[in-house]
Amino acid sequence: DILMTQSPSSMSVSLGDTVSITCHASQGISSNIGWLQQKPGKSFKGLIYHGTNLEDGVPSRFSGSGSGADYSLTISSLESEDFADYYCVQYAQFPWTFGGGTKLEIK
Amino acid sequence: EIQLQQSGPELVKPGASVKVSCKASGYAFTSYNMYWVKQSHGKSLEWIGYIDPYNGGTSYNQKFKGKATLTVDKSSSTAYMHLNSLTSEDSAVYYCAFKFAYWGQGTLVTVSA
Repeated sequence: DILMTQSPSSMSVSLGDTVSITCHASQGISSNIGWLQQKPGKSFKGLIYHGTNLEDGVPSRFSGSGSGADYSLTISSLESEDFADYYCVQYAQFPWTFGGGTKLEIK
Repeated sequence: EIQLQQSGPELVKPGASVKVSCKASGYAFTSYNMYWVKQSHGKSLEWIGYIDPYNGGTSYNQKFKGKATLTVDKSSSTAYMHLNSLTSEDSAVYYCAFKFAYWGQGTLVTVSA
């Protein structure tokens, strides 16, 4: 199975900050990666697919980048609604696997 | 509006089985594979498998073969996940999703005597 190592596990940040979350895959995944947001007690929302593409309705302050085995989600100018948990998921190879998550907290 | 509406929470005894439903609306149900995901302890995520609603074809995570069975009813645009021989390790929130963009609200399954 492909191991997705996500970091950091948590971040304490301020409104207006720019943050980056990374996922390192145990092998190359050719941009077959998505990023998900989960707010406390809620379900998930897809943010990014195929490494760099924004899902419909996702604000442009979210962006994805990377190649090979290393990928990042960047959130610019953090807003209050962005404080949530974030996960990466690879779908390059079965079984699809997830990162361990990153919790964004308000400083 | 695209919606995936899942069935309500379940409290089941060890050794029993449970069937979780996911009713889709607002899009062409047979055009997208339906994924199922397990979230344990409020954090860790596992992909269980997916089903192609058009032809019923499935792909499972080896870990969940024999544990989960995925089916669909095209007439009602509903996907189902049957979990059998439940143990405490199966206590989790289960989600349906498609394209990883759209998700159901989750179904809490608690296995307890």
